[in-house]
Amino acid sequence: DAKTTQPPSMDCAEGRAANLPCNHSTISGNEYVYWYRQIHSQGPQYIIHGLKNNETNEMASLIITEDRKSSTLILPHATLRDTAVYYCIVRVLTSGSRLTFGEGTQLTVNP
Amino acid sequence: GAGVSQSPSNKVTEKGKDVELRCDPISGHTALYWYRQSLGQGLEFLIYFQGNSAPDKSGLPSDRFSAERTGGSVSTLTIQRTQQEDSAVYLCASSPRTGGYTEAFFGQGTRLTVV
Repeated sequence: DAKTTQPPSMDCAEGRAANLPCNHSTISGNEYVYWYRQIHSQGPQYIIHGLKNNETNEMASLIITEDRKSSTLILPHATLRDTAVYYCIVRVLTSGSRLTFGEGTQLTVNP
Repeated sequence: GAGVSQSPSNKVTEKGKDVELRCDPISGHTALYWYRQSLGQGLEFLIYFQGNSAPDKSGLPSDRFSAERTGGSVSTLTIQRTQQEDSAVYLCASSPRTGGYTEAFFGQGTRLTVV
């Protein structure tokens, strides 16, 4: 699986948009970009995934650059409950592919 | 509930004892994963099941660790002769099928403390 690079930490004001970047310059054509988050003392939670088109669901939006070498997870109106470690993962589209978690970004939403 | 269930939620054991950790995946999910997370560290992959077979057990740290899955459902992770470095949160996840287009659902984990 391709390696990802994320900033170790970010801060965001409550109610503002949180934009979390991820670099995956070695991504291959059949790899999807996945985002998970882990709130303190809980198991990781799936947020969103995409291949090359931008995606949106009830939790977030995922913007993938045209060359697919980077992406941004957008939480449009961050709340205090969004404080968590956010993991960007690229995953090979083959059976049995594991999720390889990196260090992630610690997002702190401030009141 | 309908989520991934792990038991026990907490386990304290003496060094050298064996422990068994249980995972009940979401009904119908064919893929099952075990991870562990040491204090302040990232998630470390241990083993993956597709049905009852384990095509990827490359993450098991030593031969003291083993896992099985029966009936394509419940999985048990066994740690023999526990050591203090085994202390961690052990997380289980299940997925409807393999492939890069499905998400994994995680349980709340079992916090193992070896004293």
